[in-house]
Amino acid sequence: QQQVKQSPQSLIVQKGGISIINCAYENTAFDYFPWYQQFPGKGPALLIAIRPDVSEKKEGRFTISFNKSAKQFSLHIMDSQPGDSATYFCAASKANRDDKIIFGKGTRLHILP
Amino acid sequence: IAGITQAPTSQILAAGRRMTLRCTQDMRHNAMYWYRQDLGLGLRLIHYSNTAGTTGKGEVPDGYSVSRANTDDFPLTLASAVPSQTSVYFCASSPGRGRANTGELFFGEGSRLTVL
Repeated sequence: QQQVKQSPQSLIVQKGGISIINCAYENTAFDYFPWYQQFPGKGPALLIAIRPDVSEKKEGRFTISFNKSAKQFSLHIMDSQPGDSATYFCAASKANRDDKIIFGKGTRLHILP
Repeated sequence: IAGITQAPTSQILAAGRRMTLRCTQDMRHNAMYWYRQDLGLGLRLIHYSNTAGTTGKGEVPDGYSVSRANTDDFPLTLASAVPSQTSVYFCASSPGRGRANTGELFFGEGSRLTVL
């Protein structure tokens, strides 16, 4: 049973455009929703994270939108740049607990120069 | 700042051979994890350890074993490698228990393993 569903599997966006990656979760007990960014040959690294008490969090060009009632959250990359080309993973967990983080299957993003 | 160190970075292995992937962290994190990453399947948890002296099974534990003798080290062993274990393996850590646990994972650079 996949608890975090991520889409699309791959995405191509023109430079300067908006990249949007979507995730849906099933477990309403999740209370921490991070996004990880992974460049080729490197390990994933935390990009931005949100807790369900807010509907949006913005850090620079990266924004997480969170819809608790729909159990969905999305990553928006504004003014996408070639350097944003990477694989992005959404995830969910119960923070402050030992429960394990659940990852989506990833989205390979390619920004055309 | 080292963070998570994995070794080897890459290895080609004959089927049936024993292999240990090493992982060391210098952040004094309580929890450590081993993931494998395969195209189209994302990150799948193999084994984890919430604290030194304890381990648990993840989503895909068969064919793998781990130990956690101390806080810093978390080796992953393939007792008898098979071609389906060809993958990129990532070790990760997190602060673990209680309010220190933000849920953030810190990953190593990965170990690429090919089993022929």
